[in-house]
Amino acid sequence: NAGVTQTPKFRILKIGQSMTLQCTQDMNHNYMYWYRQDPGMGLKLIYYSVGAGITDKGEVPNGYNVSRSTTEDFPLRLELAAPSQTSVYFCASSRGNADTQYFGPGTRLTVL
Amino acid sequence: KNEVEQSPQNLTAQEGEFITINCSYSVGISALHWLQQHPGGGIVSLFMLSSGKKKHGRLIATINIQEKHSSLHITASHPRDSAVYICAVSPRMAGNKLTFGGGTRVLVKP
Repeated sequence: NAGVTQTPKFRILKIGQSMTLQCTQDMNHNYMYWYRQDPGMGLKLIYYSVGAGITDKGEVPNGYNVSRSTTEDFPLRLELAAPSQTSVYFCASSRGNADTQYFGPGTRLTVL
Repeated sequence: KNEVEQSPQNLTAQEGEFITINCSYSVGISALHWLQQHPGGGIVSLFMLSSGKKKHGRLIATINIQEKHSSLHITASHPRDSAVYICAVSPRMAGNKLTFGGGTRVLVKP
């Protein structure tokens, strides 16, 4: 099993550009999450999903969108990149509520 | 006041020393998680516990639900244990949405 995979590993965007961060898990987990980690700070939840077709906002959803058309994939969309979105983005998945979360390797995004 | 507080924020130990990291929380929980983030950035789940004690290799995690407190112990510490250790809780009313502590940066010197 590959676990949770994320692409790309690194990306530099210009202000106003858009991009999609990809996340895929092969563990058949129902729950998936997107977090951001700013330099020297803790993890903050952006969006989460409890199953295909169901998504909900986390603590810091502004500027992002998600979709969950399949169990495996949970892409995160940035429509109009801003410098405040410079961060490391982690995707995670878990089998159920309050279960162990498995994290992807992260995507380091810089917006200039 | 944060719902999850960790102490200390930073810790330096000599190889072989016993290390303890503390986590206190203020909400009712379904489970508590200990995570490890290595200098390269990857995050690994070490333990999930809702009562008692768990052990994996040189790592031991304990939780006291009544006192809302958990500890992570590293026995016979090694330089490869150098990492940030993060405590997170699954609140009883929102179990799938973790609340994170600020992390404890551990440096083990040879």
